[in-house]
Amino acid sequence: EDKVVQSPLSLVVHEGDTVTLNCSYEVTNFRSLLWYKQEKKAPTFLFMLTSSGIEKKSGRLSSILDKKELSSILNITATQTGDSAIYLCAVGFSGNTGKLIFGQGTTLQVKP
Amino acid sequence: NAGVTQTPKFRILKIGQSMTLQCTQDMNHNYMYWYRQDPGMGLKLIYYSVGAGITDKGEVPNGYNVSRSTTEDFPLRLELAAPSQTSVYFCASSYGGVSYNEQFFGPGTRLTVL
Repeated sequence: EDKVVQSPLSLVVHEGDTVTLNCSYEVTNFRSLLWYKQEKKAPTFLFMLTSSGIEKKSGRLSSILDKKELSSILNITATQTGDSAIYLCAVGFSGNTGKLIFGQGTTLQVKP
Repeated sequence: NAGVTQTPKFRILKIGQSMTLQCTQDMNHNYMYWYRQDPGMGLKLIYYSVGAGITDKGEVPNGYNVSRSTTEDFPLRLELAAPSQTSVYFCASSYGGVSYNEQFFGPGTRLTVL
């Protein structure tokens, strides 16, 4: 059975801390791994990682895909209260469906 | 572009009632999806469509139906609502091609079945 597992499930840090969120997967026909941020509403896209792009960075956020270990990490440096959200990891399949399987999410709370 | 829009934003149903959740996208995306999100959980795929007239089941299709008569619209039908269908429902769409795994989400519909 295809599955995506995130850890930790929740995390509380203080502003300025650096956090690392984990995502591991067991899927057939892996195509891509995506990270989304969800703040009390719709998920918004952060990164997509594939075999041809295993590392992405945008400002204080960065992500790496380890295809050997079937996992990915999302790093956030110098956290701010605005980073408080649920971070969702999803895996996409090769083939003509575009389907994603999501992990449970990691709830991050950044305290002032 | 409005992106992906969903109506209604909130709804309370009684057990056994039926309703349709509406989803429209104006990005000319071929692929559309319906998810549900329960508290503390990720998103579970209910149904998806790769084009007008083509739909298929996802992980949790029981109790739901969909149709896709146009590229823009992908309504989700709940028949005989049950308390287990209390959830937040998200519609999403994607373009296809090389980046087709990137999905764009609507604002969600919060449904309570009492």
